[in-house]
Amino acid sequence: QKEVEQNSGPLSVPEGAIASLNCTYSDRGSQSFFWYRQYSGKSPELIMSIYSNGDKEDGRFTAQLNKASQYVSLLIRDSQPSDSATYLCAVNGPGKLIFGQGTELSVKP
Amino acid sequence: DAGVTQSPTHLIKTRGQQVTLRCSPKSGHDTVSWYQQALGQGPQFIFQYYEEEERQRGNFPDRFSGHQFPNYSSELNVNALLLGDSALYLCASSSTGTGYDEQYFGPGTRLTVT
Repeated sequence: QKEVEQNSGPLSVPEGAIASLNCTYSDRGSQSFFWYRQYSGKSPELIMSIYSNGDKEDGRFTAQLNKASQYVSLLIRDSQPSDSATYLCAVNGPGKLIFGQGTELSVKP
Repeated sequence: DAGVTQSPTHLIKTRGQQVTLRCSPKSGHDTVSWYQQALGQGPQFIFQYYEEEERQRGNFPDRFSGHQFPNYSSELNVNALLLGDSALYLCASSSTGTGYDEQYFGPGTRLTVT
């Protein structure tokens, strides 16, 4: 079992729709959870961090954490073509971040 | 406020050669982590430096080594390059004092080994 798992996609949604990205992790001791956005040919950009169970909202982005189910998700409301990118879920390990393989999101105009 | 910087942007090397990549952390950050990202994969942790010492290391061979300088900048050295070392090398900086693990990436160095 991989430490952090994501569906590789691609996930295709129409413009204006809600995109839902999911991630599961194996280490119950993990305390910090992150979502990065990576455009093709670029480096990852931190867009959300979440540390407590529940929802955290920032603009059109909502991160959801359920530690009991070892599940993290990212919702993108009113998706725009500019949101088309690979979204990486990361979970803290001892002195490092452990990444999933990323989910490719495509927002169609 | 300058973000994380890396140099060079691109690099082409031949098998067996050695390479040095450089990173300057974001202002106010004291910790530097290095990652390797192969095409289509998530970044893989190589090692982390804090207070000029390697604090944590991932599953990479000893051919990968690093250094952190008193100004918190860092170098990643790879010896005896293999074709499989071709990847995007990412430096991420963070601040140990905050108690959080937020890491911010530089633009990366694209290494091609021929």
